[in-house]
Amino acid sequence: NAGVTQTPKFQVLKTGQSMTLQCAQDMNHNSMYWYRQDPGMGLRLIYYSASEGTTDKGEVPNGYNVSRLNKREFSLRLESAAPSQTSVYFCASNRDRYTEAFFGQGTRLTVV
Amino acid sequence: QKEVEQNSGPLSVPEGAIASLNCTYSDRVSQSFFWYRQYSGKSPELIMSIYSNGDKEDGRFTAQLNKASQYVSLLIRDSQPSDSATYLCAVENYGGSQGNLIFGKGTKLSVKP
Repeated sequence: NAGVTQTPKFQVLKTGQSMTLQCAQDMNHNSMYWYRQDPGMGLRLIYYSASEGTTDKGEVPNGYNVSRLNKREFSLRLESAAPSQTSVYFCASNRDRYTEAFFGQGTRLTVV
Repeated sequence: QKEVEQNSGPLSVPEGAIASLNCTYSDRVSQSFFWYRQYSGKSPELIMSIYSNGDKEDGRFTAQLNKASQYVSLLIRDSQPSDSATYLCAVENYGGSQGNLIFGKGTKLSVKP
C-alpha cells in the first residue's frame, strides 16, 4: 500500500515564485491535513480538510491556499514564496478525528 | 487554545533500560490518543493508539492513559539505540484552528549503548 504520497520531496524556490505541493492518499480517508515543521516548533497545522468538499484554516494559514480536489487529493499552494516559508511540509490523513493519522514522507522546501 | 504538553528532553537512558515518556492534555472531552515516533529527517510514524483508561501493550511499548488526570504516557522496555528519536503525543480534537488532531512538540529520546 502506498499510503500517503507527497510530491516533490525537495524543492528550492526563489522569493516570489509559486508552487503547489501535491498529496494523495489511497486509504479512503475522509480527513487530510497539511503541517509544517520547523526546528523547535513542532508540527504546526496550516490547513485541513475534515471531509471532501470542506477546507479550514489551521494555526498558520497565511501565505498558503489549499484545494481538496477529491477524496484522495489535497494540494497546498504557495502563491508568492517567502524565506519564512522555508520548512519541512507534511501531508497527513485519517478516517476521522478519532482514528490515527498517517503521514507522507515530507517535502523539504527552501526559499532563497 | 487547547494544549498538549510534553517535556522536550533530551531524555537520555542507557541501553536496556526503561524509557518513560509523558504527555498531558488540556481538553477533558478528548477520547483518542496517539504516540508517534519521528527519526531525524523522516516523517512521524504511528507507534500506539489508546482509547480507554489503563495500559495497552504492544511488544516493548506500553501506552498508559489516565483520563481523570489528563495524562498519557509511553513506556519503552529494553530500550535500544534504534529507539533514539523524537516521540510525539497526539490527542483528538473537535476541529477549529487546531484541526482534528493536536500534537505536542515532542520529547527527544537518546538511548546510549
